[in-house]
Amino acid sequence: AQSVAQPEDQVNVAEGNPLTVKCTYSVSGNPYLFWYVQYPNRGLQFLLKYITGDNLVKGSYGFEAEFNKSQTSFHLKKPSALVSDSALYFCAVSFTFSGGYNKLIFGAGTRLAVHP
Amino acid sequence: DGGITQSPKYLFRKEGQNVTLSCEQNLNHDAMYWYRQDPGQGLRLIYYSQIVNDFQKGDIAEGYSVSREKKESFPLTVTSAQKNPTAFYLCASSSHLAASTDTQYFGPGTRLTVL
Repeated sequence: AQSVAQPEDQVNVAEGNPLTVKCTYSVSGNPYLFWYVQYPNRGLQFLLKYITGDNLVKGSYGFEAEFNKSQTSFHLKKPSALVSDSALYFCAVSFTFSGGYNKLIFGAGTRLAVHP
Repeated sequence: DGGITQSPKYLFRKEGQNVTLSCEQNLNHDAMYWYRQDPGQGLRLIYYSQIVNDFQKGDIAEGYSVSREKKESFPLTVTSAQKNPTAFYLCASSSHLAASTDTQYFGPGTRLTVL
């Protein structure tokens, strides 16, 4: 079955320190992976995606993610956290189902709290 | 939130009442989606549509209905048959439903509360 796991409900990090938000996936076929961020009472904003090629993907707001096929992981990273990065982060995998249509399967989300 | 608008931002429903959530996009996208978000559960797909006058049930379609009369619009009706409708509802769109690499873009959401 296709699935995405975000093993941490919450991640706490001090401002200026590096941050990592973890994501692992299970999918048949090629994995197409996405990261989104959600601020309180707002929609999801697209950060970055991995389709193919370089395992290190760079995205918006200084975020990047590392695709690791052997560990089936797609962890989100940032070298230096900002208080304004505090939000809910979702990892998702694109899945092709019957009829040739695609849908995103989302993880449960990880709340990132950056402390001054 | 880009070129996707949702209204209203907040909606209150009485027991037994149907309510309709609006979703409009100006991105010229073919595919549109409705998701429901509950705390700690991520997003779950309610309905999706590839083209005008065509839509399919997602994972949790019971108690919901949709229409797609225009490419730009994909309204969601929460019927009285939906027993637990209190949630945050998100509309999204992407270029094509059949393209697995396409990014979905989301609207700002509607928070529905049952009184």
